Amino acid sequence: GESVGLHLPTLSVQEGDNSIINCAYSNSASDYFIWYKQESGKGPQFIIDIRSNMDKRQGQRVTVLLNKTVKHLSLQIAATQPGDSAVYFCAEASGNTPLVFGKGTRLSVIA
Amino acid sequence: GAVVSQHPSRVICKSGTSVKIECRSLDFQATTMFWYRQFPKKSLMLMATSNEGSKATYEQGVEKDKFLINHASLTLSTLTVTSAHPEDSSFYICSATPGRSYEQYFGPGTRLTVT
Repeated sequence: GESVGLHLPTLSVQEGDNSIINCAYSNSASDYFIWYKQESGKGPQFIIDIRSNMDKRQGQRVTVLLNKTVKHLSLQIAATQPGDSAVYFCAEASGNTPLVFGKGTRLSVIA
Repeated sequence: GAVVSQHPSRVICKSGTSVKIECRSLDFQATTMFWYRQFPKKSLMLMATSNEGSKATYEQGVEKDKFLINHASLTLSTLTVTSAHPEDSSFYICSATPGRSYEQYFGPGTRLTVT
């Protein structure tokens, strides 16, 4: 069936560096994509979203890029901080169907 | 705004007993609530979708008689794990949406341990 996956299961970055977390999706009909942050023992926290008619969207220290040609989604975190350490999930939605989550990438920030 | 709570946050129960987990939308009316299960170091797995006043829609492989879902009001959904077994031990997370399924607000999760 359709699935959402991630290229890198773990990512370690130096504090202050930029982080890039990648996600591949397979449902070409998906029209909405979301990045979530999940800290240990907590529920997912919304970070940023993007619609399929966009290729870039910026938030505070975060940028999401969407490449529909290769079905690729990325989350860029600028000036990564220790508080950014968490597991990051991408999720996709099509119409009003439930979200489909990717496998997750653990981001570890080295102080 | 858009806060979702879960209760309890942690629960330990003995095999064979039933456990109820509550999910509440605190500042909005949730037309739909979702229940997820998450194993350690794994992604969220959708268990079921519940709409207020109607029967829940369960995902393939999820036993509806095992995981009873009740969505009695626009702000409350409950998940009851019946006759719990150690393999039911997991992190259960709910989410709620005021409208579109992609606009989900997640609860903090409930850690269930069955001994």
